[in-house]
Amino acid sequence: DVKVTQSSRYLVKRTGEKVFLECVQDMDHENMFWYRQDPGLGLRLIYFSYDVKMKEKGDIPEGYSVSREKKERFSLILESASTNQTSMYLCASSLLPQPHTFGSGTRLTVV
Amino acid sequence: QKEVEQDPGPLSVPEGAIVSLNCTYSNSAFQYFMWYRQYSRKGPELLMYTYSSGNKEDGRFTAQVDKSSKYISLFIRDSQPSDSATYLCAMKETSGSRLTFGEGTQLTVNP
Repeated sequence: DVKVTQSSRYLVKRTGEKVFLECVQDMDHENMFWYRQDPGLGLRLIYFSYDVKMKEKGDIPEGYSVSREKKERFSLILESASTNQTSMYLCASSLLPQPHTFGSGTRLTVV
Repeated sequence: QKEVEQDPGPLSVPEGAIVSLNCTYSNSAFQYFMWYRQYSRKGPELLMYTYSSGNKEDGRFTAQVDKSSKYISLFIRDSQPSDSATYLCAMKETSGSRLTFGEGTQLTVNP
């Protein structure tokens, strides 16, 4: 089974901090994704990547950036964390045409 | 209007009941259909994945797709307390890797 590992389950950061969320997948999946999940809003796509060093904006990229230097690793960066970025962050990977495999999520609280 | 509409719930049923979860969509380009189950504070896990119209069965779970009506359903037979979770429908076009999600239906199965 494909495993998608997110480095932290829970994080608490201060407003203005630079925050790194790491995601690693252990299969040779070309596609990787970052979502945030909020009550009443569902899953919203932040960024995705279909190859090393390639990235595309999702629906809500503002305030975020990403990095994919190696195929197995996809990082989400909050340049200057704000309280409205408090959320559940989910990483996923896929190999077309198969559906996403998700990680366990990182619950980020910005205070 | 959202591309994917899902009955938000919450839904509460007694153990042993048959549960019906539903999504409608407006984008006729959606060709791949998925159901994910998400336990509290965990990432979504894939339950069912189907391409064609019709029914697909896996144990107590049946996924139904009606492309002509743009309607998909997930049926759970003999529901168990362990089925208590949020269920997310998701869809994908033939090309590309992005999924479009419903908002999720929270299900509670009472012993």
